[in-house]
Amino acid sequence: AQSVTQLGSHVSVSEGALVLLRCNYSSSVPPYLFWYVQYPNQGLQLLLKYTTGATLVKGINGFEAEFKKSETSFHLTKPSAHMSDAAEYFCAVSDRQGGKLIFGQGTELSVKP
Amino acid sequence: GAVVSQHPSWVICKSGTSVKIECRSLDFQATTMFWYRQFPKQSLMLMATSNEGSKATYEQGVEKDKFLINHASLTLSTLTVTSAHPEDSSFYICSGGEGGIGEAFFGQGTRLTVV
Repeated sequence: AQSVTQLGSHVSVSEGALVLLRCNYSSSVPPYLFWYVQYPNQGLQLLLKYTTGATLVKGINGFEAEFKKSETSFHLTKPSAHMSDAAEYFCAVSDRQGGKLIFGQGTELSVKP
Repeated sequence: GAVVSQHPSWVICKSGTSVKIECRSLDFQATTMFWYRQFPKQSLMLMATSNEGSKATYEQGVEKDKFLINHASLTLSTLTVTSAHPEDSSFYICSGGEGGIGEAFFGQGTRLTVV
């Protein structure tokens, strides 16, 4: 079985500040991990994914995440927040690429001017 | 990336009627389609998985007779909410993949309101 826990349903940062969104997973098989962003009333856009190989993954819009097996974590970071980053972020786990996704509860990111 | 086109983007229907939502993969063959439901301020919950040409596999607690899924071709999957009730009001999102070869791509979502 697989599950995802996102710590913090709401995170607020100032523009230009570091963004850190936390995600911990549970998986009985090697996980495939994903971060998605969702704007109001829209579908999901893939930010980045970890499948195998390099544990530090770079994605779109300056986001990156590091897979830490020992900590069962896949936290999302961005060095400098932009107003346009305000959205809902979902961490997800799967047992394979193209497989069904198990989502975390989501974290709403607010960016203050 | 590949595109999954979902229609309609929003729909309002009367209680007791049925609503059909379509998802089309525009530039790839979606051998697998996932259907998710998202209630306001909540996460996405998988409803069912369908593979082209076969019956859908529903998650526990999802009524298969209420949420009819058809995946008759490699580019089209439909979700029909039958005898809709206000509690079915939600955001429905499809996601299409090439059967585990690559990532799954999401449609834009459908906001269903049952009045």
